[in-house]
Amino acid sequence: SQQGEEDPQALSIQEGENATMNCSYKTSINNLQWYRQNSGRGLVHLILIRSNEREKHSGRLRVTLDTSKKSSSLLITASRAADTASYFCATDGNDYKLSFGAGTTVTVRA
Amino acid sequence: EADIYQTPRYLVIGTGKKITLECSQTMGHDKMYWYQQDPGMELHLIHYSYGVNSTEKGDLSSESTVSRIRTEHFPLTLESARPSHTSQYLCASSESGVRGANVLTFGAGSRLTVL
Repeated sequence: SQQGEEDPQALSIQEGENATMNCSYKTSINNLQWYRQNSGRGLVHLILIRSNEREKHSGRLRVTLDTSKKSSSLLITASRAADTASYFCATDGNDYKLSFGAGTTVTVRA
Repeated sequence: EADIYQTPRYLVIGTGKKITLECSQTMGHDKMYWYQQDPGMELHLIHYSYGVNSTEKGDLSSESTVSRIRTEHFPLTLESARPSHTSQYLCASSESGVRGANVLTFGAGSRLTVL
């Protein structure tokens, strides 16, 4: 069954703008991860945030986690055309099996 | 780029054919996974393995089978393909990192079309 659910399903922004997407989940987690998928390719790991962390940064990426609301957000700042992709959150319940949502498709217009 | 390889990348076959999707990784990871992904839909875990001679079914029921005879190799087989098997199949591997975090490395995927 689906654990992570991303919102919005699709997002279109101008180059240079910020992109924010959200993820909600249902059960307790050990950590939450974000992955990117370019069209027709596999997923690439972007960033991981543990259940005892509230915010994490990696380059132009900022992830927040609110375990009381069972939600996370991914912010991409100063977007580029190369950021056009689908973004998935994945929850890790400490059983070595990640559960993925349906993803947010981000289109960055030049 | 990831050291996990899937072949074939694209396959179009007729109903009733037997197919095997290959997945190999050169990272020595103990855990390997197969996910099924339809366009715009979530990834569904269909099989996983925590080591040689260990295989388990995932959350989504699948008519496919897997084997793990060698650490680096995790093939998926469909004995008799049907149009409902048309999908993208993603293979992944992982090795538990610091404090048990499980980060997956994915292959490029195998897109299967059954006519």
